[in-house]
Amino acid sequence: GQQVMQIPQYQHVQEGEDFTTYCNSSTTLSNIQWYKQRPGGHPVFLIQLVKSGEVKKQKRLTFQFGEAKKNSSLHITATQTTDVGTYFCAGPINGGSQGNLIFGKGTKLSVKP
Amino acid sequence: EAGVAQSPRYKIIEKRQSVAFWCNPISGHATLYWYQQILGQGPKLLIQFQNNGVVDDSQLPKDRFSAERLKGVDSTLKIQPAKLEDSAVYLCASSFRITEAFFGQGTRLTVV
Repeated sequence: GQQVMQIPQYQHVQEGEDFTTYCNSSTTLSNIQWYKQRPGGHPVFLIQLVKSGEVKKQKRLTFQFGEAKKNSSLHITATQTTDVGTYFCAGPINGGSQGNLIFGKGTKLSVKP
Repeated sequence: EAGVAQSPRYKIIEKRQSVAFWCNPISGHATLYWYQQILGQGPKLLIQFQNNGVVDDSQLPKDRFSAERLKGVDSTLKIQPAKLEDSAVYLCASSFRITEAFFGQGTRLTVV
C-alpha cells in the first residue's frame, strides 16, 4: 500500500546548528504538506507544496518538493529552542485531491541550548 | 477565530467498554476529519466528512468504530467495544478548502 517515509526518526542538535528532515513517498503526490507538532500539542500546518521542484521559504525554514513529486525536504537554518517538536510530511491518500492525508512517522527534533 | 474544539481531553476506560468523542469544527469549515495518532506515529485518517456526507471511511474499523456528523457541523466518533490497541490520541481536524487542516487538541484515550 501507499507509504510515506521520513528520515531521520530523531535528530538532536545544538542550538544554532542546521537541521534537515527528508520525506519519501512510494507514489507520486499531487501536493505535499508539512506539519509541526510540539510536545503534548496537536499538528499545526506549516506549508503546502504543489509544483514539481518547488522551493518555499518561511524565515529560517526552507521546504523543497522533488522534481518527481515523490520526495520533499524541510531544512531549518540555525535552530532555536522554539523549533523543538516533531515535523510531519503528509500527502493525499492514493494520489487523490480530497484532502485526506497519509502522514509520515515524523522526525522528532530536540535542540540543546 | 475559535479553533477546533474537542472533548473530553482525556478518557480512561476498560477494554470492551464503549466511548464517544465530540468535535466542533471551525465555523464555516465544510470538511471534517477524524485521525488516530498512536504514540510515536503520525496521524492516521479514520474518516472524512464533507458537510454531513462521508467522503472516505476506508480506514475506519467499522466493526467497532462509528462516526456521524449530523447537520454538517458537530461530529461524534464512537468506539464500541474498545480494545487495548485503541489507546491513542484521537484528533479532529477541519478545513475550509481542501488544503490545510486545522487540528483540535485531541482526546487521549487509554484502554486498560
